[in-house]
Order: sequence, then C-alpha cells, then structure tokens
Amino acid sequence: AQTVTQSQPEMSVQEAETVTLSCTYDTSESDYYLFWYKQPPSRQMILVIRQEAYKQQNATENRFSVNFQKAAKSFSLKISDSQLGDAAMYFCAYRSFPQGGSEKLVFGKGTKLTVNP
Amino acid sequence: DSGVTQTPKHLITATGQRVTLRCSPRSGDLSVYWYQQSLDQGLQFLIQYYNGEERAKGNILERFSAQQFPDLHSELNLSSLELGDSALYFCASSVGLAGFLEQYFGPGTRLTVT
Repeated sequence: AQTVTQSQPEMSVQEAETVTLSCTYDTSESDYYLFWYKQPPSRQMILVIRQEAYKQQNATENRFSVNFQKAAKSFSLKISDSQLGDAAMYFCAYRSFPQGGSEKLVFGKGTKLTVNP
Repeated sequence: DSGVTQTPKHLITATGQRVTLRCSPRSGDLSVYWYQQSLDQGLQFLIQYYNGEERAKGNILERFSAQQFPDLHSELNLSSLELGDSALYFCASSVGLAGFLEQYFGPGTRLTVT
C-alpha cells in the first residue's frame, strides 16, 4: 500500500519570503500522480499543483513549484513571495495511475503553514 | 466554488443514530469519492463510485454504506453512530477513469456525534 509522509506538522514564513514544505512517499508503482492540496480555515480542499511521475520536468503554477525527486520518492512544495492568503493546511497526496489501481487519493497528515506579516 | 455540492453543511446527532449525507457531483462527472477527515486519522478514502457502480473501497466501516443513483448523485449512510465518527466528510468528483483526472472537492459535511 502507498503511504505519504509529511514530516513538518507546522511551518511559518514571513510575508514575501519563500518556504518549502516536505513530502515523501512510498510506492512500488512506476506510474502515478502527486498533488499538493491547500485547506484554508474554510475547510475547502483546493488543488494547488500536480505532477505526473512520468514527467521529469517539475510542475510550476505561478508562485508554487515542486521539486520532484522520483528516485528519492520526494515531492516538496515551494511557495515563493508568500502571501497572507497562503496560510492554510497543506496536504501532499498520491494517486495511482488509472490502470494501476484505484483512483483514490492517499493523503499525508498535513503541514500547517502560518504566514507572518 | 468547485461545482460539487454537499448537504447538509452541519449535522449534530446522538450516538446510535443513523444519518445520510448527500453529494451532487459536478455536471458531467461520473466518479464520486467519499473521504473522511478526523483529527486522529487525518484524511482517509472511504469509497468510490463510477457511473452507479462501486469502484473501490477504502477504510470504510461496515456500519457505513454508500450508493450512487442514476442521476449520479451519491449518498453516504452512517449508522449506529459512535463518538469517533465525528468528522468532516468530503465528497469529490471527477470526470471518469482514464488519464489524468482532477478530483474536485465539495465543501464537506461536518458531523458531530454527541
């Protein structure tokens, strides 16, 4: 079974600075997807960024980028120019490639990000 | 707004009772997923339906059941409720099965068992 580990329960960053959230995962599959979801105080789950394992290029979405290290099974999220609205719980998630198994998401425990003005 | 709706938003009930949570997926989405978010277990996958058929099961208790109806809305039934069932229950939907498919989450139903 796949597992996702987020080793940082809490992180803080100054507004306009950069912060990196860590995520490692364990799987025996070669094709899969990885995601970062944001959960603000409203509790809504919002997709931040996604990465296909077969793509070597790291995904980027505006101020959000990932460092995907497939061999190390590491998938970190970098937030640049942090804004107060970035304060939230961040969840790393794994999903099997469709033909490989269930399409369920396997989540880490989350990292609570605080942005200080 | 993800386009996924869930009702009710909040539910308070007593131990031993039964409740039904409802989810309407985004228009055109055939897959529905149920997740439970609790303080001790985190976010866990419960069950997935695709076009009316059960597709995958996760850590869903025998006291819990779900179904997806012909109009594609889904219901999650929780019975013989225990204090530990208090959690936020999310429904998510996606278009189908093949290829990369983002799961869109609803706002969740907050269940409190007293």
